[in-house]
Amino acid sequence: DAGVIQSPRHEVTEMGQEVTLRCKPISGHNSLFWYRQTMMRGLELLIYFNNNVPIDDSGMPEDRFSAKMPNASFSTLKIQPSEPRDSAVYFCASSKTGTYNEQFFGPGTRLTVL
Amino acid sequence: KNEVEQSPQNLTAQEGEFITINCSYSVGISALHWLQQHPGGGIVSLFMLSSGKKKHGRLIATINIQEKHSSLHITASHPRDSAVYICAAYRGSQGNLIFGKGTKLSVKP
Repeated sequence: DAGVIQSPRHEVTEMGQEVTLRCKPISGHNSLFWYRQTMMRGLELLIYFNNNVPIDDSGMPEDRFSAKMPNASFSTLKIQPSEPRDSAVYFCASSKTGTYNEQFFGPGTRLTVL
Repeated sequence: KNEVEQSPQNLTAQEGEFITINCSYSVGISALHWLQQHPGGGIVSLFMLSSGKKKHGRLIATINIQEKHSSLHITASHPRDSAVYICAAYRGSQGNLIFGKGTKLSVKP
């Protein structure tokens, strides 16, 4: 099993540019999570999907952030326009749907906004 | 006050020592994750538990739901155990995790 796949692994962009992060969950997993990790705030849940439907997006910082899951094997997290304070590592994780299922994390995307 | 508190924040040990990392939470949860993050940044799930104790190799995790407390123990610690250990509590049943700040462990040879 390839595990959770994220791309790109590193992204450097300038303030104001659009950034799109991509995630492919483990096949057969119906829940997908987007997390952000910073030194100041640690790991935070941004949004999660069950069966491609967003369930809780209360962690999305503001309207500049949006996430989609058009099918069971692909999700995107978009930031438009990006700001320096968005610099962080963004992790995607997936799990089987159900009660308290173990989550498997992708390698993360390190985003730097100049 | 954070909903999930870990202690200590930093821990330095000598190879071979027995290590304990604690996690207390204030949210009403029924399960908890222990995660390991290596210096390279990748996050690995160590345990998910909702009661009692689980053991995997030299790692042992316990949880007391009534006391809202969990511990992660490492027996015969080794330098390769050096990492950040993060506990995360489930808010609700569908996977909304709340994370502790992590415990940075350094095991010296």
